[in-house]
Amino acid sequence: EVQLVESGGGLIQPGGSLRLSCAASGFTVSSHYMSWVRQAPGKGLEWVASFYSGGSTKYADSVKGRFIISRDNSKNTVYLQMNSLRADDTAVYYCARWGLDLPSFHYAMEVWGQGTTVTVSS
Amino acid sequence: DIVMTQSPGSLAVSLGERATINCKSSQSVLYSSNNKNYLAWYQQKPGQPPKLLIYWASTREFGVPDRFSGSGSGTDFTLTISSLQAEDVAVYYCQQYYGAPYTFGQGTNLEIK
Repeated sequence: EVQLVESGGGLIQPGGSLRLSCAASGFTVSSHYMSWVRQAPGKGLEWVASFYSGGSTKYADSVKGRFIISRDNSKNTVYLQMNSLRADDTAVYYCARWGLDLPSFHYAMEVWGQGTTVTVSS
Repeated sequence: DIVMTQSPGSLAVSLGERATINCKSSQSVLYSSNNKNYLAWYQQKPGQPPKLLIYWASTREFGVPDRFSGSGSGTDFTLTISSLQAEDVAVYYCQQYYGAPYTFGQGTNLEIK
């Protein structure tokens, strides 16, 4: 069964750091685009970062320079290192796997984890 | 950045009736080299992660009931639920995956009338 399980969320003070993990099962993360998407309380969805199968990364302007997405193929896990956290980073953070139409058309966010909550507050 | 604008923001439809949600992108999401529209629709119920319903603007994800359909091309897209069921109450989002940042619409809250 294809599954994503996020962990690492919690309450953190402004300026602090946190590392989120997304453990994948049922597929290999190196074969798919992987993304983090967040949802602030009562708000809509916001794409945060992506790690592409070739190894490149992209970030939303709101987190560029503060967040780092990475991948550990041996653990089949994707991470989001979050530094210099601010109150407006408070959200549920979802890990998502993109779909793949062979031979190489990556499409949308097909599989989602249940999310992990990050609260930035003093 | 591509701005995605959904309408309406909220919608109340009677059970068994048709529900229509619109999504407009600020620039075309049709990739000319493969003639695919990089547009997806998601359903999100309270306390749950989003669920992919439609991708490539009109391809239904495996397991999604056929009362859900997507249409449109270029900059104008529509999600249609042909006969609303009680379990369809949710917030619906469109998203472009043509290029980063992969922007979402603001969401449409669908309720039963």
